Amino acid sequence: GIQVEQSPPDLILQEGANSTLRCNFSDSVNNLQWFHQNPWGQLINLFYIPSGTKQNGRLSATTVATERYSLLYISSSQTTDSGVYFCAGAYNNNDMRFGAGTRLTVKP
Amino acid sequence: DGGITQSPKYLFRKEGQNVTLSCEQNLNHDAMYWYRQDPGQGLRLIYYSQIVNDFQKGDIAEGYSVSREKKESFPLTVTSAQKNPTAFYLCASSREGYGFYEQYFGPGTRLTVT
Repeated sequence: GIQVEQSPPDLILQEGANSTLRCNFSDSVNNLQWFHQNPWGQLINLFYIPSGTKQNGRLSATTVATERYSLLYISSSQTTDSGVYFCAGAYNNNDMRFGAGTRLTVKP
Repeated sequence: DGGITQSPKYLFRKEGQNVTLSCEQNLNHDAMYWYRQDPGQGLRLIYYSQIVNDFQKGDIAEGYSVSREKKESFPLTVTSAQKNPTAFYLCASSREGYGFYEQYFGPGTRLTVT
């Protein structure tokens, strides 16, 4: 089946630093999405980004569908950005595959 | 307030018992989904429903059952046939019925089976 690889698996930053998270897919996917899971388990949809670039405040994302990857940029990180970031994509219109996540810790 | 509710937040059951997890949404979304998350891992799709009275198996449907009798509700039953039922269960919904579009999640139910 399709493989979704996220890198890095763990990331520790000082408050104010910038970071880039990567998501690679082994096959073509549709409707790529990025989520943030907070320490209590709640998932928040950050971006719905099948292709192109979107920005929302300090966060932005870019998907290059032809090369099967997506990037999530976090600028001027804050402690509230801590948590796990997941990417996910729809495969064959009958499955949604998630990566294993990037665990981000932002230290004050 | 529009959103997705899951109840209960924590659930404890003895091995061999069936248990039903609730998921309700008032977003008027057509599609609803159930996922399972194990510690340190991503989510895996159990079942999904793109329209009322219809549902499809996901990647790990064995040992689970669902129903979709109302647009707002998509309960998940964890049966005694599920070998490792202890996990964090997440329900989601999306506006469009077909194609796994932008998904919104409930707060989840942590199920522990002993």
